[in-house]
Amino acid sequence: QVQLVQSGAEVKKPGASVKVSCKASGYTFTSYYMHWVRQAPGQGLEWMGILNPSGDNTNYTQKFQGRLTMTRDTSTSTFYMELTSLRSEDTAVYFCARGRTYSSSPLGYWGQGTLVTVSS
Amino acid sequence: IQLTQSPSSLSASVGDRVTITCRASQGISSYLAWYQQKPGKAPNLLIYAASTLQSGVPSRFSGSGSGTDFTLTISSLQPEDFATYYCQQLNSYPFTFGPGTKVDIK
Repeated sequence: QVQLVQSGAEVKKPGASVKVSCKASGYTFTSYYMHWVRQAPGQGLEWMGILNPSGDNTNYTQKFQGRLTMTRDTSTSTFYMELTSLRSEDTAVYFCARGRTYSSSPLGYWGQGTLVTVSS
Repeated sequence: IQLTQSPSSLSASVGDRVTITCRASQGISSYLAWYQQKPGKAPNLLIYAASTLQSGVPSRFSGSGSGTDFTLTISSLQPEDFATYYCQQLNSYPFTFGPGTKVDIK
């Protein structure tokens, strides 16, 4: 069965970077789109960006341009989301979520979420 | 593309028929999905392509619409359906979510 297991909670200071991992299993790693979505405390869902199955093309929400990088490691079937220049507004739960084999596909499988707290 | 949802919250009883609306700021064909989220949990896909029920989702959930106006209907609300519901457009980047509709117990 498809599983996405994310790394543990992080506490970071303003200006620092965070890299969240999402280990995939139960499906062909290189065939599906991967999304990252975040949710600030008590707030709604915010789509951050998408990585294509080949791992060589991304599309990020404009507000994260220059700060966000999505990558993957095929040897470990792990996806990564790195956010730099953190500020307090980046405090949120970050989710990886798998789409299908086409970009406009729904997010059918989700990781459990990783809480990132940005505080001085 | 901006998505609005109405209502933002509602109170309903077990057995009630519930309808949630999602409106897009421009046409998105049928590229719309609905998710359910319970506190402390990841969202769960209910409906995609506006009206296709995700495998394993109870048939009391249904979706309709195309273009700019969409609805999610729960035909007979069950205790496990009290949650927050989000729509998401998958027509063009960025794949925005609606602000959510919280369904709680009357």
